[in-house]
Amino acid sequence: AQKITQTQPGMFVQEKEAVTLDCTYDTSDQSYGLFWYKQPSSGEMIFLIYQGSYDEQNATEGRYSLNFQKARKSANLVISASQLGDSAMYFCAMREGQRGGADGLTFGKGTHLIIQP
Amino acid sequence: ETGVTQTPRHLVMGMTNKKSLKCEQHLGHNAMYWYKQSAKKPLELMFVYNFKEQTENNSVPSRFSPECPNSSHLFLHLHTLQPEDSALYLCASSQTGTSVSEQFFGPGTRLTVL
Repeated sequence: AQKITQTQPGMFVQEKEAVTLDCTYDTSDQSYGLFWYKQPSSGEMIFLIYQGSYDEQNATEGRYSLNFQKARKSANLVISASQLGDSAMYFCAMREGQRGGADGLTFGKGTHLIIQP
Repeated sequence: ETGVTQTPRHLVMGMTNKKSLKCEQHLGHNAMYWYKQSAKKPLELMFVYNFKEQTENNSVPSRFSPECPNSSHLFLHLHTLQPEDSALYLCASSQTGTSVSEQFFGPGTRLTVL
């Protein structure tokens, strides 16, 4: 079974609109972390936002926010006021285990977001 | 140099060649990672090193041999590869013990095996 599921292979969004990228996860650990990364065509993975399993508030970083619904095991990324430069692949990832550990990430298949002018 | 650097950025090799990928992090982190990104597949974790010690090998074939001489450098030695090993190889680093410990990635090495 997949641990990270991203159900939207591709999305087209009009510039300046908000966009929600879906992510559901599967783990039996009580302690875990959820990450979103952006990968432009250049290939480098850029960290966007993090949510810890014990964090009670949804994480926010500038135009990015994470809609964390623990009971539903979902961690959707919301990008407000989208810009042309937001066009990229977006990956949801999970780290299981203790916070702050040296554990590898499990990634979803990604969503290819295209912002249209 | 800043962040995480990887060399070479592109590599073409035959199945009988031996080559090495290099990763260097300039962030003072203690943990380093190798990931493989194949077309149409999620990123796959290959190896984890923490304070130079290998802590995870994700069932990677022995034709991939990692080396971590210190916390700033990570190598991936390649020999007798197969065409299906063609992929983008990404290196990452992180600082353990912090609240987030996000991983910072390098630009990757695009490997083509002929």
